Amino acid sequence: AQKITQTQPGMFVQEKEAVTLDCTYDTSDPSYGLFWYKQPSSGEMIFLIYQGSYDQQNATEGRYSLNFQKARKSANLVISASQLGDSAMYFCAMRGSNTGNQFYFGTGTSLTVIP
Amino acid sequence: EAGVVQSPRYKIIEKKQPVAFWCNPISGHNTLYWYRQNLGQGPELLIRYENEEAVDDSQLPKDRFSAERLKGVDSTLKIQPAELGDSAVYLCASSLQQGLGMTAFFGQGTRLTVV
Repeated sequence: AQKITQTQPGMFVQEKEAVTLDCTYDTSDPSYGLFWYKQPSSGEMIFLIYQGSYDQQNATEGRYSLNFQKARKSANLVISASQLGDSAMYFCAMRGSNTGNQFYFGTGTSLTVIP
Repeated sequence: EAGVVQSPRYKIIEKKQPVAFWCNPISGHNTLYWYRQNLGQGPELLIRYENEEAVDDSQLPKDRFSAERLKGVDSTLKIQPAELGDSAVYLCASSLQQGLGMTAFFGQGTRLTVV
């Protein structure tokens, strides 16, 4: 079974500062993909970044980067230079090779950017 | 290209009444998901379709929930009769079938309130 754990229910960050959102996972699948989504108050889940379990380098997408530590089974999201528009819920999700197209989500972290 | 379209955006019904949600996925996406998201939680899978076939409906409360995906495109999720505990956001998502790195694209969801 797959499990995603996000232990930070809420986080605050000063505008223009960096923030790290934690995600740990548990899986027995030999290969898997890790995703981060942003969900603003409008409700839509917006894809941010992807990391494959066999990728040698940590993924980056603009101000988003993923700190992937496979041995620790963690996939933390780093947002640099926070903006007010980054205030939202953030969800970590996983998709495993043995579970087909199923996505498993964590409980999310609410991020508030303070001006 | 249009994203995943869901309707209605909001629905308020009395308990014991029926309700239906509609989803139009991204063109060409074989896989379609229905998720339920309770307040402050991550999405939880209700049913997953590969083309017309429901390949994972283990979490769908079949006594009151039903779903269909005609011709492998649009999908409808129905609740009959609705209960107070069904109040949640119902998210539809679609993805290409192959590849761990294929993200799911989400609609804006339907916020259901049962009173």
